[in-house]
Amino acid sequence: GAGVSQTPSNKVTEKGKYVELRCDPISGHTALYWYRQSLGQGPEFLIYFQGTGAADDSGLPNDRFFAVRPEGSVSTLKIQRTERGDSAVYLCASSSLPPLAGGLETQYFGPGTRLLVL
Amino acid sequence: AQSVTQPDIHITVSEGASLELRCNYSYGATPYLFWYVQSPGQGLQLLLKYFSGDTLVQGIKGFEAEFKRSQSSFNLRKPSVHWSDAAEYFCAVAPKAAGNKLTFGGGTRVLVKP
Repeated sequence: GAGVSQTPSNKVTEKGKYVELRCDPISGHTALYWYRQSLGQGPEFLIYFQGTGAADDSGLPNDRFFAVRPEGSVSTLKIQRTERGDSAVYLCASSSLPPLAGGLETQYFGPGTRLLVL
Repeated sequence: AQSVTQPDIHITVSEGASLELRCNYSYGATPYLFWYVQSPGQGLQLLLKYFSGDTLVQGIKGFEAEFKRSQSSFNLRKPSVHWSDAAEYFCAVAPKAAGNKLTFGGGTRVLVKP
């Protein structure tokens, strides 16, 4: 079956522009996560969704970052007024159980979107 | 706050030799523990995970990891490395409390010499 997909695979933008990054989770997965991986570092948590709602957005660095998941499937990460420091690989992951259910299902990661802000 | 340390940024190993990657975590209680591998152009793939019970965990691709509570460590091992094991390896933890967000270490890049 299809894994997690992310589009675009690469995005180059100019400082100050707005970007949207899309994540298609594995069909039926209720939990969806966004992470950011800067060059030479491990991924850092940004936000996760259970269904349509953001259950934990504590990792979003500031109010320029926002994510939605209106129908509980596809999610979009939105970055306003991009800055050079936003350049990174943005990773999406999904899992089949809501974390708060007490289970701990494997998170399946997509290939990421490489964002470069010039 | 929890943290994960992978002391080795790079490791070079000869094909057929054994490999051990170190991981130490700092957390108030024993969290869930994971090892992921990231190959160029590929997404993160789970190698193995530890929840509780037997402290020696077997994973995919011939990898295993041992949880040592007294050392707050979760080191990854493979007895005989293949050229295809060249990749970046990440140790990660998640709290046993509500929420499933992963905290990753900085990664160890493994190079395999023929």
